[in-house]
Amino acid sequence: AQSVAQPEDQVNVAEGNPLTVKCTYSVSGNPYLFWYVQYPNRGLQFLLKYITGDNLVKGSYGFEAEFNKSQTSFHLKKPSALVSDSALYFCAVRIYNNNDMRFGAGTRLTVKP
Amino acid sequence: DAGVIQSPRHEVTEMGQEVTLRCKPISGHDYLFWYRQTMMRGLELLIYFNNNVPIDDSGMPEDRFSAKMPNASFSTLKIQPSEPRDSAVYFCASSLRTGGFEKLFFGSGTQLSVL
Repeated sequence: AQSVAQPEDQVNVAEGNPLTVKCTYSVSGNPYLFWYVQYPNRGLQFLLKYITGDNLVKGSYGFEAEFNKSQTSFHLKKPSALVSDSALYFCAVRIYNNNDMRFGAGTRLTVKP
Repeated sequence: DAGVIQSPRHEVTEMGQEVTLRCKPISGHDYLFWYRQTMMRGLELLIYFNNNVPIDDSGMPEDRFSAKMPNASFSTLKIQPSEPRDSAVYFCASSLRTGGFEKLFFGSGTQLSVL
């Protein structure tokens, strides 16, 4: 069975500082890993994905994520946080030919001015 | 494209009543997913369709829940009878499958409150 864990319910950072939102995964095959963001009263929006290749993936709004196979992690990062980045972030995993995308519990990111 | 469209945005009903949630996927997408989001359980996959055919409904919590997709542009999720524990945000999502690594496009959700 596939699953993801987001160990932090909440992450607080100051505007302009780097941010990291953590995610670890567990799958029986090669993973497809995703990050989605949810703003208040909205559906989830795709940020980025890792399929294969370069372990550092760049996505929307200046976010990037690093795939680490040995640590089974896929942490989301941004060099300089903005107040507008404040939202709920979800990590998700799939395996090939499986449409059951498993989401983590979500991490609420708050960026303070 | 207008994206995935869900209706209603908010639904308040009394226990025992029938509730129908609606979804219009993005035109051309061949996969449609229904998710439920609660504080306690997070985001759960309820059921998904491929080319209008239900593929996996193992996430549907009880027989009170049913979902249909009569054509490529419309799906419904019905709860009958509704219970207070069904209160949640229900999301519909669609995708164009190309091996499992495509992204999902989510609607804005239906906030359901069962009193």
